[in-house]
Amino acid sequence: DAGITQSPRHKVTETGTPVTLRCHQTENHRYMYWYRQDPGHGLRLIHYSYGVKDTDKGEVSDGYSVSRSKTEDFLLTLESATSSQTSVYFCAIAQGLDEQYFGPGTRLTVT
Amino acid sequence: AQKITQTQPGMFVQEKEAVTLDCTYDTSDPSYGLFWYKQPSSGEMIFLIYQGSYDQQNATEGRYSLNFQKARKSANLVISASQLGDSAMYFCAMREGRVTSGSRLTFGEGTQLTVNP
Repeated sequence: DAGITQSPRHKVTETGTPVTLRCHQTENHRYMYWYRQDPGHGLRLIHYSYGVKDTDKGEVSDGYSVSRSKTEDFLLTLESATSSQTSVYFCAIAQGLDEQYFGPGTRLTVT
Repeated sequence: AQKITQTQPGMFVQEKEAVTLDCTYDTSDPSYGLFWYKQPSSGEMIFLIYQGSYDQQNATEGRYSLNFQKARKSANLVISASQLGDSAMYFCAMREGRVTSGSRLTFGEGTQLTVNP
């Protein structure tokens, strides 16, 4: 299994508070991704990174920012959490374009 | 328009039988890739199989095979000799293009497979 961890695994927070989710990999893979999973929508890409300090927006990036200051860590920040951001968040990593391995997920509830 | 369509919200199969999960896709890019993932009730996403648009042969991984019909834009997952542990949600996903900035995957809504003893 690819070495990917996500922290925290569960979080409950209040509307308007900032939240940061962390994805950590031990595989030294170049690409890292953040997705969210909601009922009826499958998984949707939020942001991704193709190298240290190289990031770009995905399909549902509004309200989210990311940072990647070193290869192994990719942070997802909700600057001011809203109830619509209640979801399960998955991080994924890949070395090439023909693979993508997912972390265990973070369940975020915004009350 | 949906880029990935999985028309079967739920499927049932008897243990030890084969099952086909449907996936159709829509792209005008000549270079693309198709992925299948399994999500058991525990929630993790497990990579199963990959097929590139230029691959000449259908991909296979153990009991999983991908029935790739390019002209019909379909990439169905075939699971042979189903096991109880195959009960899960299955997602089809597509990567378009071969940009060096990465594989941005578009997912279908999934098919819930139940294997009956």
